Amino acid sequence: NAGVTQTPKFQVLKTGQSMTLQCAQDMNHEYMSWYRQDPGMGLRLIHYSVGAGITDQGEVPNGYNVSRSTTEDFPLRLLSAAPSQTSVYFCASGTDLSYEQYFGPGTRLTVT
Amino acid sequence: AQTVTQSQPEMSVQEAETVTLSCTYDTSESDYYLFWYKQPPSRQMILVIRQEAYKQQNATENRFSVNFQKAAKSFSLKISDSQLGDAAMYFCAHSQGGSEKLVFGKGTKLTVNP
Repeated sequence: NAGVTQTPKFQVLKTGQSMTLQCAQDMNHEYMSWYRQDPGMGLRLIHYSVGAGITDQGEVPNGYNVSRSTTEDFPLRLLSAAPSQTSVYFCASGTDLSYEQYFGPGTRLTVT
Repeated sequence: AQTVTQSQPEMSVQEAETVTLSCTYDTSESDYYLFWYKQPPSRQMILVIRQEAYKQQNATENRFSVNFQKAAKSFSLKISDSQLGDAAMYFCAHSQGGSEKLVFGKGTKLTVNP
């Protein structure tokens, strides 16, 4: 049982490049979410999903796309990276049984 | 909109002493959950304690306990017998309804002095 996994752990992009941050969970959780963490800002919700095929926007969705084709995977796509997207990104999953979110180890992204 | 406020950017405590971290939140709902997460330098988010709003009894987990004041919308975390391993960022978070959305405070950096 690996829990929530994220790849890569670190990434450097140039402005305008695109990439996908991968997230997978093996706990059969219906809920999955993406957050970004910036210094002094705490964690802010980007996008979330309540089940396969269902996604919605969080507090800071601009510049990011998501899809949820399976229960296990919830990739986050940066369409055209900008320096303002330099951040640490966390994926999380959860269930209504405990209302707790389980977090992945995070991806540190730098956009130059 | 839901908000979570942590008014103490930094706190320090002596090893073996007790420290209390403050958190206030704003919501119009009656059914919700509150959490404290710990983030050590490894950056992993670790759940410390959880409180259901419908429960009047304060949650406890070993050395960690909360003071939940629903009317005042206050949710403080007390760490007893502080240990060096408790040094970390602590985030207060609020969840309304399901667990797919958490609203976090900006965090409190806790230093434990030997």
